[in-house]
Amino acid sequence: GAGVSQSPSNKVTEKGKDVELRCDPISGHTALYWYRQSLGQGLEFLIYFQGNSAPDKSGLPSDRFSAERTGGSVSTLTIQRTQQEDSAVYLCASSPQTGSNEQYFGPGTRLTVT
Amino acid sequence: LAKTTQPISMDSYEGQEVNITCSHNNIATNDYITWYQQFPSQGPRFIIQGYKTKVTNEVASLFIPADRKSSTLSLPRVSLSDTAVYYCLVGDYAGNNRKLIWGLGTSLAVNP
Repeated sequence: GAGVSQSPSNKVTEKGKDVELRCDPISGHTALYWYRQSLGQGLEFLIYFQGNSAPDKSGLPSDRFSAERTGGSVSTLTIQRTQQEDSAVYLCASSPQTGSNEQYFGPGTRLTVT
Repeated sequence: LAKTTQPISMDSYEGQEVNITCSHNNIATNDYITWYQQFPSQGPRFIIQGYKTKVTNEVASLFIPADRKSSTLSLPRVSLSDTAVYYCLVGDYAGNNRKLIWGLGTSLAVNP
C-alpha cells in the first residue's frame, strides 16, 4: 500500500513569510508525528496527534509553529513569519497506534528560509 | 526523561559483523527499544524492536541484557549499502503524555 507522503518535497521561502507543510499518513494510522532534522543532526520531536487531537505540543519551538490534523488523516504544519533558523528537513511519521515505537516516515520536506 | 547514548560514528569493512551499543539507563519498565536506519535525504526506516533478551529478523539482531539499561544492534556481514545513520529509540512519559526519545544516532561507514 501507499506509504507516508509529504508535500512539497522542497520549499524555499523568504524570511518573514508563512509556510504550510502537508503530511498524508498511511490510511488507518491513528498516530501522527512531526519531527525536525537539521543538517547532520538527530531528530527533534515537534508534536504528535492521536486522532485529531494533539496531546503533546511541547516540542514546538515557538508560537510561530502550529499544526492541525483533520478527519484523523491529513496533517498540516504551519510556520508563521519564518526565520532562517527554521531551515531544516521536516519529517512526518505515522503509526498504527499511539505509543508504538514503530513509525513509518515520509520522505520529508526540505525547508530553506532565505 | 529517558536519555540514550550511542557512539557518534563507527567504521567497518564489507563482510564484517557490526555491533552498535546504545545506553538507556532510565528506560521505563514497560517500554520497548527500537532501532532505525536512515540514509541521506530519506526518512528513518524501522529495523528492529525488542523488550528483553534477544530478537532477530532478516536484517539484524538486537541484544538486551536483563537490566535493560543498554542494547546492542548487531548487523551481520555488512555491505556498502549498510552505510547509514542508526538511531536507538526509547520512550518515556512526561506527565500524562508519551514522548519518544531519539538518540543522536551512530553514523556507520562501511568501507570496501
